[in-house]
Amino acid sequence: EPEVTQTPSHQVTQMGQEVILRCVPISNHLYFYWYRQILGQKVEFLVSFYNNEISEKSEIFDDQFSVERPDGSNFTLKIRSTKLEDSAMYFCASKQGRTEAFFGQGTRLTVV
Amino acid sequence: AQSVTQLDSQVPVFEEAPVELRCNYSSSVSVYLFWYVQYPNQGLQLLLKYLSGSTLVKGINGFEAEFNKSQTSFHLRKPSVHISDTAEYFCAVNTGSGNTGKLIFGQGTTLQVKP
Repeated sequence: EPEVTQTPSHQVTQMGQEVILRCVPISNHLYFYWYRQILGQKVEFLVSFYNNEISEKSEIFDDQFSVERPDGSNFTLKIRSTKLEDSAMYFCASKQGRTEAFFGQGTRLTVV
Repeated sequence: AQSVTQLDSQVPVFEEAPVELRCNYSSSVSVYLFWYVQYPNQGLQLLLKYLSGSTLVKGINGFEAEFNKSQTSFHLRKPSVHISDTAEYFCAVNTGSGNTGKLIFGQGTTLQVKP
């Protein structure tokens, strides 16, 4: 069964460093997303990506964040100059159209 | 703006008892509704979805949910729970109106099944 894969599963980084979270969406999907879940809180939408551009972003997704689909298969989230409050589980998701989104297992980002 | 409210943060229940996890949403347009489950240290897995048609939808692991448009609710039910159902359950909505299809999640309900 096709699935969304995310790497790494856990990333520890020092405050101020840049991190790149990687995702491989399901191959025939067209819509790609990043969500964030701070420990103990709800899952929050960060950004959606369609047709090689951002289609929508939340207030959380400021200039510190960027996304890219560099090679037609990977979908990355870059966080520049990480802060302690960026510590969270980051989920990648993809979907084909007006159907359900499939989520990856998540990357737990810990900023120290 | 759309929003989702899960009325119970924690639901303790004994094994083999029935359970209902409540979800209400607000939206001015037609919606697609979902329940996802998150087992400890894992990602989000789709339990069931309502896109259109029958208001009673059945999902995996014996769960079902009923879409009630007049009450703007989408409560999740299971007639007999197992220990393995212990997890976090999230209700989510997107408008399905041709937008990006982002999901708005509720706060989550922790289902604790006791032996």
